[in-house]
Amino acid sequence: DGGITQSPKYLFRKEGQNVTLSCEQNLNHDAMYWYRQDPGQGLRLIYYSQIVNDFQKGDIAEGYSVSREKKESFPLTVTSAQKNPTAFYLCATIPGQGITEAFFGQGTRLTVV
Amino acid sequence: AQSVTQPDIHITVSEGASLELRCNYSYGATPYLFWYVQSPGQGLQLLLKYFSGDTLVQGIKGFEAEFKRSQSSFNLRKPSVHWSDAAEYFCAVGGNTGKLIFGQGTTLQVKP
Repeated sequence: DGGITQSPKYLFRKEGQNVTLSCEQNLNHDAMYWYRQDPGQGLRLIYYSQIVNDFQKGDIAEGYSVSREKKESFPLTVTSAQKNPTAFYLCATIPGQGITEAFFGQGTRLTVV
Repeated sequence: AQSVTQPDIHITVSEGASLELRCNYSYGATPYLFWYVQSPGQGLQLLLKYFSGDTLVQGIKGFEAEFKRSQSSFNLRKPSVHWSDAAEYFCAVGGNTGKLIFGQGTTLQVKP
């Protein structure tokens, strides 16, 4: 089936640890996005990539890093510099480099313990 | 600045009643507008989108939205709400920059 796979669904991190969230797509979409969702704040853009080997910071990139080595994959690393990482993280894709419809994965819930 | 405002954080309606969720946007260029729905712990599903043309757009699950350029609004409506419509609804705006900007969301509760 075509789609976007985020893994794991739940992730627990100890303070001071880096963790990586996976986002894989087989839709052959050019652009991929990472959003963070907190209650009452909607979705905030962390990073996005419109082509392989290129990515741009979103509105809340501090404490996060990404890579786009393959078209299918856009992993997000939450570093120890992110002071409040507990949130729901959503990966999305868009077919081309302009805005059409965004397709979303099922999300990863990250909790700091 | 580009932004989306959903003035109502939480709305409660009775099953069978009509629904209108408000969305106002600020965008410097021609906006592309979207409404998404999210069930708890899930990703977002597209309800409908507006790019150009007829300002009244039809979506899935009986939803529709009207683009009003003069009011910078894109309100979502449904004539008769079902209990299964209870969810969180997000309005979003985008364009040729490649960025999609979301509102804060409106949580819909449906009373039996």
